Amino acid sequence: QSALTQPASVSGSPGQSITISCTGTSSDVGSYNLVSWYQQHPGKAPKLMIFEGTKRPSGVSSRFSGSKSGNTASLTISGLQAEDEADYYCCSYAGFSAFVFGTGTNVTVL
Amino acid sequence: EVQLLESGGGLVQPGGSLRLSCAASGFTFSNYAMSWVRQAPGKGLEWVSAISGRGDTTSYADSLKGRFTISRDNSKNTLYLQMNSLRAEDTAIYSCAKSPNIDSGWFDPWGQGTLVTVSS
Repeated sequence: QSALTQPASVSGSPGQSITISCTGTSSDVGSYNLVSWYQQHPGKAPKLMIFEGTKRPSGVSSRFSGSKSGNTASLTISGLQAEDEADYYCCSYAGFSAFVFGTGTNVTVL
Repeated sequence: EVQLLESGGGLVQPGGSLRLSCAASGFTFSNYAMSWVRQAPGKGLEWVSAISGRGDTTSYADSLKGRFTISRDNSKNTLYLQMNSLRAEDTAIYSCAKSPNIDSGWFDPWGQGTLVTVSS
């Protein structure tokens, strides 16, 4: 259960699109369509943004989208807004009812 | 409205024990799996443990090596985490989170967490 690899930081200007990668292995990301993404503002509880790789919970902006290719999942934020500045974490099912989170990515809106 | 409220955190000496609780409301508690996730100060999220709705299936992070035990009391709508042989590296905010089932792969919502500090 090694942590999934994410870039430490990603930045973009308002209105731009950014993509956060989440690289795992054939034992987690590559084996299951069960990647989720969480947004965490400082001092706040994480918020679910994407589940089952590509699905958005009710109330989450359509500017957030998820995808996967092989052992790498991605979160794309389009039309970047100031309120999107936060930490983002991916999480994957790793079999046997276990889970593994990513290392986290700090998103800065320039 | 779904609410999850953790309690039981505090300062404990290395080698000590602590039991965390997570009081749930706003949903039929026994119908959902629950998990504990922790976050060390300034660090990332780490999944700790999960339990099925009926409590008959549990899972743990390999790194815990049998020191933690997850349980639930569906009559009290409460989730627990018994933590033994605590180490400095267990210092973190511990949050509970709800899942449709133990293998669903996502957590929503999360509680605000309770801080556990392991120090002499």
